Amino acid sequence: QQPVQSPQAVILREGEDAVINCSSSKALYSVHWYRQKHGEAPVFLMILLKGGEQKGHEKISASFNEKKQQSSLYLTASQLSYSGTYFCGTENRDNYGQNFVFGPGTRLSVLP
Amino acid sequence: DSGVTQTPKHLITATGQRVTLRCSPRSGDLSVYWYQQSLDQGLQFLIQYYNGEERAKGNILERFSAQQFPDLHSELNLSSLELGDSALYFCASSVNGYEQYFGPGTRLTVT
Repeated sequence: QQPVQSPQAVILREGEDAVINCSSSKALYSVHWYRQKHGEAPVFLMILLKGGEQKGHEKISASFNEKKQQSSLYLTASQLSYSGTYFCGTENRDNYGQNFVFGPGTRLSVLP
Repeated sequence: DSGVTQTPKHLITATGQRVTLRCSPRSGDLSVYWYQQSLDQGLQFLIQYYNGEERAKGNILERFSAQQFPDLHSELNLSSLELGDSALYFCASSVNGYEQYFGPGTRLTVT
C-alpha cells in the first residue's frame, strides 16, 4: 500500500524551512528519501532504518518514528537547488520478502 | 552522473510488441532495481536482483520479466505491450542495499 505524503506541494522563499511527512499503514523496515528534478532521475538523500540507524547527506536531516510508521524530512535554510519533487520510499520485510513502495511525491518550489 | 547506464534512452514501439531495456550498474554494485514511473502511477518498484538472484518483487506484471547476468548487468523484458505501459523505466544499483543510484532512465512510448 502506497505511503501518504504531505503536503502535496509547497512553495518557499530562499532561506525558509520546510518539513515533508510520510506515513504508512504497514510496519516499516526502512524509509528512503529521494529528490527528483524535472526530466532527471531520482537522487538518493537519506535512508532511515528500523533501530535508529541513518545514512545520508550531511545537510539533510530526517526522523523515523517506527511506532507510528512515520518519517519526516527536514529542509532547513532552503536553497534554489532544493526545488524538485521529494519521494519517500518505504520498505517492508515479511515472510514473503522485501517490498518497496514509493509515495506520490511532494513538489517543492524554492523562489528567490 | 550516477555511474548507472541505461540503454536505449528512448524507445517507440507498437502495441503487442516486445522490447528489452538494458542496465549496467555502478562498478562494484551487486544489487539492481527496476522501477516504472508514469504520470498517473508515480514511481513503482518492479523487481530487485542481487548478484544474479531475484531478491524482491513489487508490482511487476506477468508480461514483464527481468534477469541479472554474471557480469551484473540487467535486462528488463516487456512483452505484449499495451498503451498503458508507456512510461519512464529506471534502473538503480546499490552496493549495500541502502542508497540506490538511479540511471537516466529509458522512455518507452507504446503507440
